[in-house]
Amino acid sequence: EDQVTQSPEALRLQEGESSSLNCSYTVSGLRGLFWYRQDPGKGPEFLFTLYSAGEEKEKERLKATLTKKESFLHITAPKPEDSATYLCAVQAYGTGGGNKLTFGTGTQLKVEL
Amino acid sequence: DGGITQSPKYLFRKEGQNVTLSCEQNLNHDAMYWYRQDPGQGLRLIYYSQIVNDFQKGDIAEGYSVSREKKESFPLTVTSAQKNPTAFYLCASKEAALGEFDGYTFGSGTRLTVV
Repeated sequence: EDQVTQSPEALRLQEGESSSLNCSYTVSGLRGLFWYRQDPGKGPEFLFTLYSAGEEKEKERLKATLTKKESFLHITAPKPEDSATYLCAVQAYGTGGGNKLTFGTGTQLKVEL
Repeated sequence: DGGITQSPKYLFRKEGQNVTLSCEQNLNHDAMYWYRQDPGQGLRLIYYSQIVNDFQKGDIAEGYSVSREKKESFPLTVTSAQKNPTAFYLCASKEAALGEFDGYTFGSGTRLTVV
């Protein structure tokens, strides 16, 4: 069974204080790993897809990296508007079609002035 | 602008009542999905559909039903058989053929509460 574990559950940072969020996964064969941002009471917003170990992607203050067992979402010099819940999900080979994703429980990030 | 529209934003259900959540997309996406989100749990797949007039059960389909009569619409009915329906429901879509590894596009969600 595919599993995704995110840590920490919650993270409080000062503005400008860089940090990383972790996503550990167990899948029979990784087809893709996804990062989403979710604001309270809203649907998740797509950030990145990573396909293979060693891959990195960047978007503004965010950078996602991937190894064979985990992914990190690095946040450089965060601002209060980066406060949100960040979700990680994996898509495995052999899921029977449908491009189904397995999600972690998320990391709730709060960036304070 | 293209996107996914979910309605209503808030829905209250009485015991023993069926309710239907609406999901409409104008992205011309082939595949559509329904997920349920509960506090402290990851999103869980209820049903998905890859083409019109076809759909498959996800991991937690019991007590739910769907239809896919039009490409742009994928309504979810929460039946009285669903014993714990209070949750945040999310609809998503993606192109099935192209961009296979692209992320889903999500709607803004419907919060269902049993009263």
